[in-house]
This record gives sequence, C-alpha cells and structure tokens, in this order.
Amino acid sequence: SQQGEEDPQALSIQEGENATMNCSYKTSINNLQWYRQNSGRGLVHLILIRSNEREKHSGRLRVTLDTSKKSSSLLITASRAADTASYFCATDPSGGYNKLIFGAGTRLAVHP
Amino acid sequence: GAVVSQHPSWVICKSGTSVKIECRSLDFQATTMFWYRQFPKQSLMLMATSNEGSKATYEQGVEKDKFLINHASLTLSTLTVTSAHPEDSSFYICSARATGYGNEKLFFGSGTQLSVL
Repeated sequence: SQQGEEDPQALSIQEGENATMNCSYKTSINNLQWYRQNSGRGLVHLILIRSNEREKHSGRLRVTLDTSKKSSSLLITASRAADTASYFCATDPSGGYNKLIFGAGTRLAVHP
Repeated sequence: GAVVSQHPSWVICKSGTSVKIECRSLDFQATTMFWYRQFPKQSLMLMATSNEGSKATYEQGVEKDKFLINHASLTLSTLTVTSAHPEDSSFYICSARATGYGNEKLFFGSGTQLSVL
C-alpha cells in the first residue's frame, strides 16, 4: 500500500514562479526522497533527506522534513518550462524493509 | 551515474500470451531490484523485490504465478507477465539500488508500456 499522500495533486504556474509540493507519510522512516518523472518515462532521483535532517538544498531545490508531523515539502524556485513533470516523494521505512514506498505524486505544469 | 536499461519500451500482445520484460544494470551490480506498476496519472505501486539468486518477495495482493520474477545475475532481472489479460495493461518500471552510491537511492529503467488486446 502507498505510504503517503501528496498535495496538491496538480499544480499549474508561470515560469519564474516558485512551486511547492507537500508530502505526508505514516510510519517512521530512515530517509525521504524526491523523484521526478517525465510523462511515460522512468523516474529520476532529485534529492534525499535523512530522518535526522530538517532541510536540504540542491540547486533550485529545497526540501524540508518534519518528522514530528511526518511531512516533507519540495520547493522549486524560479521554475522553468522544463520543470514540467510529475514529482513523487518516496519513503524508506525504518525496520529494514529494504524498499521505497511512493506517494501519489504532484503533476506540475510550468507555462512559458 | 548508474544506468538501468529496461526493454522493451512498449509491447502490444494478444490476450493469453506471455510477455517478458528485462531490466539490466549497465555499469553496476544490483543485488536488489524492484518492480513497480503504474496506472495513468497515478503513483508507483511496488509489486515485488527481486534479490539475486533467491526468490522474489511479492507485495500483498500481487499474484506470484501471474508475475514471474527472475533475478539470475547481479545485472539482470526479468518480469514475465503470464497469460496476459487486458487488465494487465499498464506501465511497468524496474529500479535498482547501486552499491557505492550510498545504497539508498534508486535508479530507474525507462519503463515498459504493456497493452494487452
């Protein structure tokens, strides 16, 4: 079963604006990861944040993690049309499960 | 970065036939590979975890005899959809953990779109 929920399900913005996506999950985790998927393609890893970290940056990406609320957010700053894709959070559950559980995803559309 | 190659990219087959999908790690050894299924505009559903040299671990609700997984080597895992039916039509994606890349993130194949007529 899916671990978490993401919101919004869909987001439409103009180039240059920031995009924020949220992810909630249910169980204790080792880490949380964000992936990007272009339509009809595989997923590409964007960023990983460990359970003992609160914030992480990578280029135009900023990820936060609140383990007390079991939630995470992904911020894409100064968005570009090329950022149009689906974004998924994935949790690595504690307890040696050796698998990633993906959230429902947010479909982002960035208009020129 | 690590590359995972998945073939075929798309396949159309008749109901009742079997389809094999291959997932190869090209430049690393993958002791564990994962098979996901994805419906349009939905998330990835983990079907099974494939371990080299041992039986796959299937998620609850996934039919083992329907979706045969073989992980015969450190670079190849296959998913065979047996006696395919239209409801098996879906996007199937494999992924692998790569030792030496922190062993935490996954590298994904490009997916296989299966259409069963």
